[in-house]
Amino acid sequence: AQSVTQLDSHVSVSEGTPVLLRCNYSSSYSPSLFWYVQHPNKGLQLLLKYTSAATLVKGINGFEAEFKKSETSFHLTKPSAHMSDAAEYFCVVSERQAGTALIFGKGTTLSVSS
Amino acid sequence: KAGVTQTPRYLIKTRGQQVTLSCSPISGHRSVSWYQQTPGQGLQFLFEYFSETQRNKGNFPGRFSGRQFSNSRSEMNVSTLELGDSALYLCASSVSGSHSTDTQYFGPGTRLTVL
Repeated sequence: AQSVTQLDSHVSVSEGTPVLLRCNYSSSYSPSLFWYVQHPNKGLQLLLKYTSAATLVKGINGFEAEFKKSETSFHLTKPSAHMSDAAEYFCVVSERQAGTALIFGKGTTLSVSS
Repeated sequence: KAGVTQTPRYLIKTRGQQVTLSCSPISGHRSVSWYQQTPGQGLQFLFEYFSETQRNKGNFPGRFSGRQFSNSRSEMNVSTLELGDSALYLCASSVSGSHSTDTQYFGPGTRLTVL
């Protein structure tokens, strides 16, 4: 069975400092992994996705994530936080062979202070 | 290209009533999935439709149902509403619905409040 664990429910950073949002996954097959962002009262927007190509995935707005199979991790990073990055971030897994739906982590709320 | 649209954006119902939510996918997308988002349970998969057929279903009671029309638009119905059904209901569309590779594009959601 597949599952996703987001290790921090809340992360606070200062503007201009690096961002690290941690995600571990569990999957019986070759997973596809995604990071989505949700701003208040908005829908979910895809930041980036991993589908067994390059292990370092670059996304929108300067975000990137690295797939590490040995650690079953898919952490999201950004070198320099901006105030507009404040939102809720979801790590998501989907299994290719299982044909299942997206399985979401519980989410990490990112706060950015000036 | 227009994004995924959902109507209505807000709904208030009372216990025991039923409700229908609508979702129009991105043009050319044939797969529509529905998700429920609550503070306690987070985001949970309800069901997925592809070419007018339910292809996948989450772990929700039979009060939750859906359908898809020939133009790929989808509706979700909840009968005999309970207080716990209060949630944000999100619709997502993708080209073919092969979840592991297709990107799912989400609509803004319908906020349902059950009193």
